[in-house]
Amino acid sequence: GENVEQHPSTLSVQEGDSAVIKCTYSDSASNYFPWYKQELGKGPQLIIDIRSNVGEKKDQRIAVTLNKTAKHFSLHITETQPEDSAVYFCAASGKGGSEKLVFGKGTKLTVNP
Amino acid sequence: NAGVTQTPKFQVLKTGQSMTLQCAQDMNHNSMYWYRQDPGMGLRLIYYSASEGTTDKGEVPNGYNVSRLNKREFSLRLESAAPSQTSVYFCASSPSSFNEQFFGPGTRLTVL
Repeated sequence: GENVEQHPSTLSVQEGDSAVIKCTYSDSASNYFPWYKQELGKGPQLIIDIRSNVGEKKDQRIAVTLNKTAKHFSLHITETQPEDSAVYFCAASGKGGSEKLVFGKGTKLTVNP
Repeated sequence: NAGVTQTPKFQVLKTGQSMTLQCAQDMNHNSMYWYRQDPGMGLRLIYYSASEGTTDKGEVPNGYNVSRLNKREFSLRLESAAPSQTSVYFCASSPSSFNEQFFGPGTRLTVL
């Protein structure tokens, strides 16, 4: 089945710096790649997603890039703020492009003031 | 709009006991999901329901059963709880497949 690897597992940056989280997936049929943010004690919340027919998508300080040939996608957060501190999860649609999402193991981002 | 609600918030069970986790959504979504979250393991899909009346296994279905009671409600049942089922359980819903999933606040379950 689909396998999603996420790196790094922890990331610490200074306020105002950029943060990059990378994910790789195994199934070339996957076609939907969302990113979720989870704050302590809460459920995950979608922050951005990308579909396989586009290579990049931006929403204010957040961007996602997708390289289908290499089977990897990345989350970029610019001008980080303390409220960006959370756990971030990438996901990919499952085997054969199914609607069953497979999640990475998460990245704990800490933004130091 | 309450979004996705889950009950209970916390539960402690003894090995062998049974219980049902309840989930409801008020967004008229077609698809609903149950995940478990363990430290260092991310979110793993237990079961999902693409529409009312249908259910399908996810990555880790063993030891669980589900019921899509109607379009709003999707319950998860543990027939004979085991310590390995200690986890945080999240329910989610989405308008349809390949769309944003909206998550509930979670149920923290401990099996002794």
